[in-house]
Amino acid sequence: NAGVTQTPKFQVLKTGQSMTLQCAQDMNHNSMYWYRQDPGMGLRLIYYSASEGTTDKGEVPNGYNVSRLNKREFSLRLESAAPSQTSVYFCASSEKGVSDTQYFGPGTRLTVL
Amino acid sequence: QKEVEQNSGPLSVPEGAIASLNCTYSDRGSQSFFWYRQYSGKSPELIMFIYSNGDKEDGRFTAQLNKASQYVSLLIRDSQPSDSATYLCAVKIKAAGNKLTFGGGTRVLVKP
Repeated sequence: NAGVTQTPKFQVLKTGQSMTLQCAQDMNHNSMYWYRQDPGMGLRLIYYSASEGTTDKGEVPNGYNVSRLNKREFSLRLESAAPSQTSVYFCASSEKGVSDTQYFGPGTRLTVL
Repeated sequence: QKEVEQNSGPLSVPEGAIASLNCTYSDRGSQSFFWYRQYSGKSPELIMFIYSNGDKEDGRFTAQLNKASQYVSLLIRDSQPSDSATYLCAVKIKAAGNKLTFGGGTRVLVKP
């Protein structure tokens, strides 16, 4: 099992460009999440999908859109990138339950110039 | 007040000593508590979770939960240089729809 995979690993964009970050999990988890992590700050939730076919906003959704393509895949789109979106992006997944442990992908390091 | 607070550190610990990390949370209705370890440039990985008051031990790690005082702590016994990392506390905040909320993390440095 690969767990949670993310592509790309690194990306540099110019202000105003768009891109999609891809995430896939092979653990048959119901829930998937997108976080961003900035220096000195914890992980902040951008969007999540509790189950296939549903998506909801997290703490910092502005400037992002998501698509839960199927149970395995959850993508994050930046329509018009801004320097404030320079960050490390992590995708995570979890099986709904008491512990609801989240498993993280390796991350995408995004720089917006 | 942040929902989940941690001292950012760095917490400097001699090799072989006990590292003690603390985390406080604001929502008294929170149910589940997690500790993640994150090495520099890597993704968070789960160390352990706890949801009942008291202690939970897993190898050299012990999580302690006190819901009345709204804190959760992590003890690392016999600290090793390989324990040098940032430790993230995460809480399922009931008021936030049971979504996981992370603290800012405590950086731990274990010195040989």
